[in-house]
Amino acid sequence: DQQVKQNSPSLSVQEGRISILNCDYTNSMFDYFLWYKKYPAEGPTFLISISSIKDKNEDGRFTVFLNKSAKHLSLHIVPSQPGDSAVYFCAARPGNTPLVFGKGTRLSVIA
Amino acid sequence: DAGVTQSPTHLIKTRGQQVTLRCSPKSGHDTVSWYQQALGQGPQFIFQYYEEEERQRGNFPDRFSGHQFPNYSSELNVNALLLGDSALYLCASSPTPDRGNEQYFGPGTRLTVT
Repeated sequence: DQQVKQNSPSLSVQEGRISILNCDYTNSMFDYFLWYKKYPAEGPTFLISISSIKDKNEDGRFTVFLNKSAKHLSLHIVPSQPGDSAVYFCAARPGNTPLVFGKGTRLSVIA
Repeated sequence: DAGVTQSPTHLIKTRGQQVTLRCSPKSGHDTVSWYQQALGQGPQFIFQYYEEEERQRGNFPDRFSGHQFPNYSSELNVNALLLGDSALYLCASSPTPDRGNEQYFGPGTRLTVT
């Protein structure tokens, strides 16, 4: 039973346009959400996070939106750059417990 | 400042064998967590070590065991390997167990079981 779902295995976006990566979750106890980026042959790298008490968090080109009623979060990258091409993982946790990851979405930014 | 390091990078083992993977945490970190990432899946939590003890454990059989040394480095041991154990094994460290949101991941060890 997957508690964190990333239903799009891949996404292609033109350079300069917006990339929107989606994530759904089922556990209403999740109170902290994170996005990680992973390049080949490297470990996941923390990108941005959001607490359940907020509905938006912004860091430069990256913005995460949280819709608690829909149990949905999304990561917006504007403008997308070729270096953003990677696998993006959504992760969540209830309290101080281990992270639960989604399966990831492979983003390809085309120049 | 060295980040999280793991060894070896790649490993090939035969079914039934045993394997040991190693991890050195980021400087200043005392908590180490291990994850298994199967092909096409996200990382799945195996267990966490702090003060040389296993603090939390995910849904993995007892064939998976670990150890943490006084210098905070850690080992992951898997006994009686199965084909399904083939995966990327990731180590992550954090400053304390309560600061799991500040995890840094290593590059992983790719284990292939034939």
